[in-house]
This record gives sequence, C-alpha cells and structure tokens, in this order.
Amino acid sequence: QLQLQESGPGLVKPSETLSLTCTVSGGSISSGDYYWAWIRQSPGNGLEWIASVYSGGSANYSPSFQSRVTISRDTSKNQFSLRLTSITAADTAVYYCSRRGPESGYGLAPWGQGTLVTVSS
Amino acid sequence: DIQMTQSPSSVSASVGDRVTITCRASQGISKWLAWFQQKPGKAPKLLISAASNLQSGVPSRFSGSGSGTDFTLTISSLQPEDFATYYCQQASRFPITFGQGTRLEIK
Repeated sequence: QLQLQESGPGLVKPSETLSLTCTVSGGSISSGDYYWAWIRQSPGNGLEWIASVYSGGSANYSPSFQSRVTISRDTSKNQFSLRLTSITAADTAVYYCSRRGPESGYGLAPWGQGTLVTVSS
Repeated sequence: DIQMTQSPSSVSASVGDRVTITCRASQGISKWLAWFQQKPGKAPKLLISAASNLQSGVPSRFSGSGSGTDFTLTISSLQPEDFATYYCQQASRFPITFGQGTRLEIK
C-alpha cells in the first residue's frame, strides 16, 4: 500500500528558505506513469497545487510559485522534496504531498497527512 | 490556467437529503475532473476520478457526472459522516487547479 509522509521544520522565519521532504513507501518514485506533487492549504483556505515531478524526473510548477520554487527527488531514498525561497507570512500553510497517476484517473491519491509550516520571526 | 468554479460555496442539508454540487471549468477538460472530500484536520480524500469513476471503498451514494466544462457531484442520501468540505480538481493539464470548495453543513 502506497504511503507518503511529509517532514520539515514547523517554523520558518520570514525571508528564509523552506525545505520539505516527502518520503514514499510502498512504491518507487522513479517508475511508472506517475507525477509526485506538493499541494498546500493556507489556514481556512482552499487547496493550491505548487509543483510536481514526474517519475522520469521532469518538473512542472505553478506560475504562482515559479520564480521561487524547486522540486527535486532522491531516488536512492525514495523521496522527493520542495524548496521554497523568500518565505513570507502568506506561506503559512499545511503542506501535503501526493501522487497523480493512472490508477486514480489522474486525480491526486493518496495524500500524506500534511505538515504545518508557520512563518514567523 | 484553467479556472474551476464550484457552486454553491456552502450548503445546509439534512441526513437523508440528496445533494448536488457543481463544478465548472473555464475551458474544456474532457473527463479529467476529480472530486475530493476533506474533513477538519485531515488530508483530502479522493472520491471520484475521471468525472465518474468511484474510487475503491467510496460508498455508492456518491456519484459524479459531466464532461467538457460542466460537472456534478451527487450524494444520493446524506449520511452523518458526509458533512465535510468538497473540492473539485481538474486533471487535464498543468497547472493543476482546484475549485474553491463547497462546505456541506448539517441543517
């Protein structure tokens, strides 16, 4: 059974860089027709897709984050990561990782439990 | 970007009611529409993919329909555990976009 688990700092200072990691178990991030994604949800708000990395390594980014986001992967650890620079209070959110693939009709499933990131000095 | 517009933004209903939520895409997305359920403090859960494919383990009272730009999620007979927020998501092309959500509340 595929499982995803986010990890990272719970608190980040404004202007710093946020780094998050998603550890995947029960499936390889480097095989199959899958996109591995980061999505966030600000307090009381809706869902916002940030970036995806394909199993073959290519990346797609939301225009809203394009200038300050990088998604990468470590196939040896079966992890993929998000790096978001120039953090502000508006980046306070729960960050989720998920997978998009043919079994789920290219909907996002499953999801990690999410990790809350608070931006504050 | 493809904009996804859900309606209503909130709805009050009673156990046993039939509820329909709509989602409209700003461009045609064929059948590439997913529906999610989210409960407070939890990650979203995929209910329906490709407009009408019920995910394994999801009760049959949930159904989806539509293609192109107009889609619906129907809950045929509301159960207490269905009170949650529902989101649509287009899976046609990047950037992935979500509707703003529909909050389903108990009347």
